Amino acid sequence: EVQLVESGGGVVRPGGSLRLSCAASGFTFDDFAMSWVRQAPGKGLEWVSGINWNGGSPDYADSVRGRFTISRDNAKKSLYLQVNGLRAEDTALYHCARAIGHSASHYKYRDAFDMWGQGTMVTVSS
Amino acid sequence: DIVLTQSPGTLSLSPGEKVTLSCRASQSVSSGYLAWYQQKPGQAPRLLIYGAFSRATGIPDRFSGSGSGTDFTLTINRLEPEDFAVYYCQQYGSSLLTFGGGTKVEIK
Repeated sequence: EVQLVESGGGVVRPGGSLRLSCAASGFTFDDFAMSWVRQAPGKGLEWVSGINWNGGSPDYADSVRGRFTISRDNAKKSLYLQVNGLRAEDTALYHCARAIGHSASHYKYRDAFDMWGQGTMVTVSS
Repeated sequence: DIVLTQSPGTLSLSPGEKVTLSCRASQSVSSGYLAWYQQKPGQAPRLLIYGAFSRATGIPDRFSGSGSGTDFTLTINRLEPEDFAVYYCQQYGSSLLTFGGGTKVEIK
């Protein structure tokens, strides 16, 4: 089955850390750029970070730059997001998403997303 | 950053009606890099349209996208019961990908 499955979320105190994972199956993972997109409870969608198929050219939203680190392991068909220095405003459902491959940019994750995982919830609370 | 403004915030309609959703960008979206998503409660977003007017795989032809520059539209011909959901636009033509605030299409 073609799918993305996230894990690693939880409840953490402000300043805490988590490592989010996204396991891909059913497609050639290393053919695709990937991103993390989050959604705060009852709110809209916010792009967080993206990475090219080969792990190159990672980028971040200003709201998380310097605190979050994206990476991937193509041999394990997995995408990761290390989240440090968590704040209350980081509370959200974190989705991994696959870039469709439409963009002509060098940054291939700057694209539309044709596959999404169900998400893993991160709650930051004291 | 490109700000996407969706209107209206909520639409109350009946099955069979035609829907037109608007997405306006604060500056021109490069190369028509504009996508539309549908999201139902408790589900992940589903890609409907990319490149402003190209339907994603498996999307029924009652969904169509149009527009360029700063003004984009998603049209749903003949609303089906399963189309009641929240719709988001997204631009991917700049270094920061941004989404609109969404339009909720509810049953009247």
